[in-house]
Amino acid sequence: QQQVKQSPQSLIVQKGGIPIINCAYENTAFDYFPWYQQFPGKGPALLIAIRPDVSEKKEGRFTISFNKSAKQFSLHIMDSQPGDSATYFCAASQKAGSYQLTFGKGTKLSVIP
Amino acid sequence: GAGVSQSPSNKVTEKGKDVELRCDPISGHTALYWYRQSLGQGLEFLIYFQGNSAPDKSGLPSDRFSAERTGGSVSTLTIQRTQQEDSAVYLCASSRILSGNTIYFGEGSWLTVV
Repeated sequence: QQQVKQSPQSLIVQKGGIPIINCAYENTAFDYFPWYQQFPGKGPALLIAIRPDVSEKKEGRFTISFNKSAKQFSLHIMDSQPGDSATYFCAASQKAGSYQLTFGKGTKLSVIP
Repeated sequence: GAGVSQSPSNKVTEKGKDVELRCDPISGHTALYWYRQSLGQGLEFLIYFQGNSAPDKSGLPSDRFSAERTGGSVSTLTIQRTQQEDSAVYLCASSRILSGNTIYFGEGSWLTVV
């Protein structure tokens, strides 16, 4: 059972565009929702994260929107740049147990000049 | 160290051989995780350590997979009698406390079974 569903699988935008990546979860016990960025040959790196007590969090050009009632969250990248081309993973975890992250399957973003 | 260190970065092995993958977490991080990333796929949780104990082994795909951690630091993931479907990138991650956040990943060990 896939607990975090991510879409789209791939996304191509022009420089300056605003790519949006969406995730939906099922487990209402999740209380931490990070996004990771992964470049080829590298490990995932934490980009931005949100907890369900807020509906939006912004860090630089990256914004997470969170809808608790719909059990959905999304990543927006403002003024996207070619250097943002990477694979983005959403994830979720809960306080109980091992705090392991459950990941979406990833979105490969290409920003073309 | 400055980051999570994994070795080897690349390993090609013959089907049926055993392999060991090593992870050196960030100094002071008590929690350690192993994930597997297959080509074009997301990250699959394998096992988690708190100190030297592994309270959550739920993600290990078969009894050919095992892991240990000694001294609350270095961890080794062992795959016995490797199969072609074991080919993947094995990622190690660590975090300071069981806070559920700020998990730092290494660059992975790319395993190819031929």
